Amino acid sequence: AQSVSQHNHHVILSEAASLELGCNYSYGGTVNLFWYVQYPGQHLQLLLKYFSGDPLVKGIKGFEAEFIKSKFSFNLRKPSVQWSDTAEYFCAVTAFYNQGGKLIFGQGTELSVKP
Amino acid sequence: DAGITQSPRHKVTETGTPVTLRCHQTENHRYMYWYRQDPGHGLRLIHYSYGVKDTDKGEVSDGYSVSRSKTEDFLLTLESATSSQTSVYFCAISETPGLAGGPGTGELFFGEGSRLTVL
Repeated sequence: AQSVSQHNHHVILSEAASLELGCNYSYGGTVNLFWYVQYPGQHLQLLLKYFSGDPLVKGIKGFEAEFIKSKFSFNLRKPSVQWSDTAEYFCAVTAFYNQGGKLIFGQGTELSVKP
Repeated sequence: DAGITQSPRHKVTETGTPVTLRCHQTENHRYMYWYRQDPGHGLRLIHYSYGVKDTDKGEVSDGYSVSRSKTEDFLLTLESATSSQTSVYFCAISETPGLAGGPGTGELFFGEGSRLTVL
């Protein structure tokens, strides 16, 4: 079965620090990859997605992610975080032939940015 | 924001009682999903629907049933609520499944969530 692992459960950074959140998935076929963000008290919203093409994907708010197929990874990065980036971040995967396109989510990484 | 309304937004109930959560969309999207969110587990798929009267189980479907009689409504029912079903429930919709190379973005749009407490 597909699974998604996010290695960091809680990350604490100071403003202007660089961010990298790890995401690995277990499915060997063609996948679609997503990062979602959930700000405190809000619903999930899409940060960025990868379907095909350039493995370096740019999303909103200065976030980017790199798909490394050989490592089954899709790590999220941001060069300089802001206090407003405090949120929970979820990696998600769906397989090519997945009936209904259901997304499998990782456990989430809580990011706290200190001003 | 996508037109997704979940009701009720908050509910406290007792063990053994039935509970129904409603998800209503105004986007005419074909695909609808129910997830539950629990600390340390992220979001886990309960059930999903790929059309009217077409539903299937997700990874944590035990104790839950769903129904979709109209495109816009997707109901999640807990026939006999248990304390382990205390959670935040999110409905999501998608225009297409976003298959690699296929049409659409595959993006899910989420509702605001329904917080359920089972005492």
